[in-house]
Amino acid sequence: AQTVTQSQPEMSVQEAETVTLSCTYDTSESNYYLFWYKQPPSRQMILVIRQEAYKQQNATENRFSVNFQKAAKSFSLKISDSQLGDTAMYFCAFMRYSGGGADGLTFGKGTHLIIQP
Amino acid sequence: NAGVTQTPKFQVLKTGQSMTLQCAQDMNHEYMSWYRQDPGMGLRLIHYSVGAGITDQGEVPNGYNVSRSTTEDFPLRLLSAAPSQTSVYFCASRQKGTASAARYGYTFGSGTRLTVV
Repeated sequence: AQTVTQSQPEMSVQEAETVTLSCTYDTSESNYYLFWYKQPPSRQMILVIRQEAYKQQNATENRFSVNFQKAAKSFSLKISDSQLGDTAMYFCAFMRYSGGGADGLTFGKGTHLIIQP
Repeated sequence: NAGVTQTPKFQVLKTGQSMTLQCAQDMNHEYMSWYRQDPGMGLRLIHYSVGAGITDQGEVPNGYNVSRSTTEDFPLRLLSAAPSQTSVYFCASRQKGTASAARYGYTFGSGTRLTVV
């Protein structure tokens, strides 16, 4: 089984600042995928960014980027030029390469990010 | 709009009652799964399905049943509701294959808030 740990229950930064959310995971799998999901007060789960474990290059999506350290089993999310709309719960999630068998995501407990005006 | 539709959005049940949470997707996704979200716990996998007629248990399956008779629908049944099942429930789906998971991730429904009194 795998576990995902988010050690920051809550973070608060000023608008336009850069913020980094931490995520570590534990697994014996060699092939897997990692995701960051955003959950605003509307409750909707929104995919922010994804990373394939076999890719060494860190994924980026506009203001969002990750620092993926496979050996350290670390997958942090960096948000640049933070905006008020970034205020939300952020969940780190793990999916193992199943080859068509088992499925599903393993989530961390989440980090509540507050962007202050 | 294409996506994952969950009904109802809110429900109050009395202890011992049964009910079915509905989940339907119109994206022809093979894989579907159910999660529950509790405060401070993140999302936890209840059951998943990798295709019509195929289901399996996730991390917290006790007290819940599922079936998958069509590709589109994946209902979650509570046979005898208990206060411990008070939670927000999410259904999610994705295309078959890990390459598609890496590219598109999972699509989530908007959730059902269930209260058992």
